[in-house]
Order: sequence, then structure tokens, then C-alpha cells
Amino acid sequence: QSALTQPASVSGSPGQSIIISCTGTNSDIGHYNYVSWYQQLPGKAPKLMISDVSNRPSGVSSRFSGSKFGNTASLTITGLQAEDEADYFCSSYTNTRTVIFGGGTKLTVV
Amino acid sequence: EVQLLESGGGLVRPGGSVRLSCVTSGFIFSNYAMTWVRQAPGKGLEWVSSISGSAGSTYYADSVKGRFTISRDDSKKTLYLQLNSLRAEDMAVYYCAKGVGYYLGSDFDYWGQGAQVTVSS
Repeated sequence: QSALTQPASVSGSPGQSIIISCTGTNSDIGHYNYVSWYQQLPGKAPKLMISDVSNRPSGVSSRFSGSKFGNTASLTITGLQAEDEADYFCSSYTNTRTVIFGGGTKLTVV
Repeated sequence: EVQLLESGGGLVRPGGSVRLSCVTSGFIFSNYAMTWVRQAPGKGLEWVSSISGSAGSTYYADSVKGRFTISRDDSKKTLYLQLNSLRAEDMAVYYCAKGVGYYLGSDFDYWGQGAQVTVSS
């Protein structure tokens, strides 16, 4: 099964909002509300930022939000801050009882 | 405080074997699915394998099926991954991750620091 499709990079200025898309198929994103988003800082382990499409774990800033329409999920970050610069990965449960990740998106805050 | 600590990585020859361990603390280990995720140098995350709570069911990526075996010892609160018939493309940092429930899902709320597996002759 191929990876979920994410843009390789996105950028924004401090204070702006950005959206990262994650496109799958009817076998994963389109079939389940089990989409997650992870933030990975350089040299660090990933951190769960959004679970089950749009739920924010305790401690995650309200500037991060998630949504889904059809086979595409999205991560929105509002009020960009320099500390948000990182790699972001989406993931989804699939109908073959596996988990699939996106290729990752590098967010640059310019 | 939830903690996950991987060990057992290192340099392995192609075709060789290694076992990774992930010692956990701070939560009721038997109640949660556990997962291994790997990341090759400069690449993205790849789900490798998961095991449901109390070792009820195991799941594998096609790329490792038949070569890797996931297991858990609830009495020791430890997760394992046995890697056999290693290939160059298996070289990666292997992360242990905790699921948010008993069964497999895509939400992993705690991660270890990672164990490096290098495959080279």
C-alpha cells in the first residue's frame, strides 16, 4: 500500500495560518475517522498533535486543528510561531488492519 | 510519567538478526496496543508492526511480514521486535510507541527515543 500523499514542503510567516493536506483512498482516510497528525522536531521522536481526525491531546496548542473531507485530511496551524518549524506526518488506519503514514511535510516559518 | 526506552540496536550484517526491546513504565502496559515505527535516514515514518493489548493479535507491514516478529511480556512491561533476514533497506531508527487503546489504531501518544539498526557488511 502506497504512503498517504502530503506536500513535501509548506511555508508561512509568523502569525499566518497554513494548511497541510494528506490524501489517501477509500481504504484508509475515506473509510475511517482514524487520522492522526504528528510533529517531529529535528533529532526527536514524533509527537502526537491530532488524533481521530480532529481531537487535540492534552497539552497541544489550540492553534493546531484537524479536519477531513472525503479521502483528504488536513492539518491547520494558525498564528504560526517559529517553534512550529518541524516535519509533520499524517497517518491513518486502513481496511487491511494496518497503519499507513504520509511522506511528511517540512514546515518552514520564514 | 509514561516512559518508553528502546535498546538492542546496533550493526548487523545483511541476512543477520537482532532483537529490539522497549521497556515501559508509567501506565498499565497490558491494557494498551503497542507499535514499532521506523524511520530510514532522511526519510519519513514507516509503520512496521503492532500488537494489541495482552498479546491478543499481531499486525505487520508487508515489507517485514515473515521476517520480523513482534511480541510482548506484560509481566515485564516490555515490548520486543525480532528482526531476521535483515536487508539494507531495513536500516533505520526503530521507535517503540504506545497506542491509546487496547486495539490497533493510528494514534500513538507516547514514543521512545529510538534504537538505531544499521545493516552493513
